[in-house]
Amino acid sequence: AQTVTQSQPEMSVQEAETVTLSCTYDTSESNYYLFWYKQPPSRQMILVIRQEAYKQQNATENRFSVNFQKAAKSFSLKISDSQLGDTAMYFCAFAGSNYKLTFGKGTLLTVNP
Amino acid sequence: GAGVSQSPSNKVTEKGKDVELRCDPISGHTALYWYRQRLGQGLEFLIYFQGNSAPDKSGLPSDRFSAERTGESVSTLTIQRTQQEDSAVYLCASSLGLATVTDTQYFGPGTRLTVL
Repeated sequence: AQTVTQSQPEMSVQEAETVTLSCTYDTSESNYYLFWYKQPPSRQMILVIRQEAYKQQNATENRFSVNFQKAAKSFSLKISDSQLGDTAMYFCAFAGSNYKLTFGKGTLLTVNP
Repeated sequence: GAGVSQSPSNKVTEKGKDVELRCDPISGHTALYWYRQRLGQGLEFLIYFQGNSAPDKSGLPSDRFSAERTGESVSTLTIQRTQQEDSAVYLCASSLGLATVTDTQYFGPGTRLTVL
């Protein structure tokens, strides 16, 4: 069974600065996808970024990028130029050979003005 | 529709009552998923539909929970004889269902269930 661990329950960052959220996972599968989802107070889960395990190049979406270390089973999210609207819960998730997403417990990120 | 919708947004019920939660997936999405999110926790998988077939119900916590789906559209999650531990946000997601490992799941806003 897969597990996803987010070791930082809460983090804060000043507006315009950079923050990195950590995620590690455990799996025996070789083909899988990793995701970061954002959940603001509205509860809507929003896909931030996804990474295919077979790709060595780290995924990037505007201010969001990942550091994917397959051997270490690490998948961290870097948010550059943090904005107040980035305040939310961030969940790391794993999808393997089945259809289930396995989620970490989340990191509450607060962006301070 | 433009996104996954769920109703009601919030539901307060008394212990022992039955509740029905509804999910409308994105049009054209054949796969549909239900998750439960307890306070301060990540999401727990409940059930997966491919079309109107549910090949995996392994996440349903007890036989008080059931779900059905009409064709490739609306799904209903039913909780019978609700208990206080059922209080949570119930999230629905849908995906194209073409290839499971590559599908991205898109989530609805959830239904917050409170059992008094």
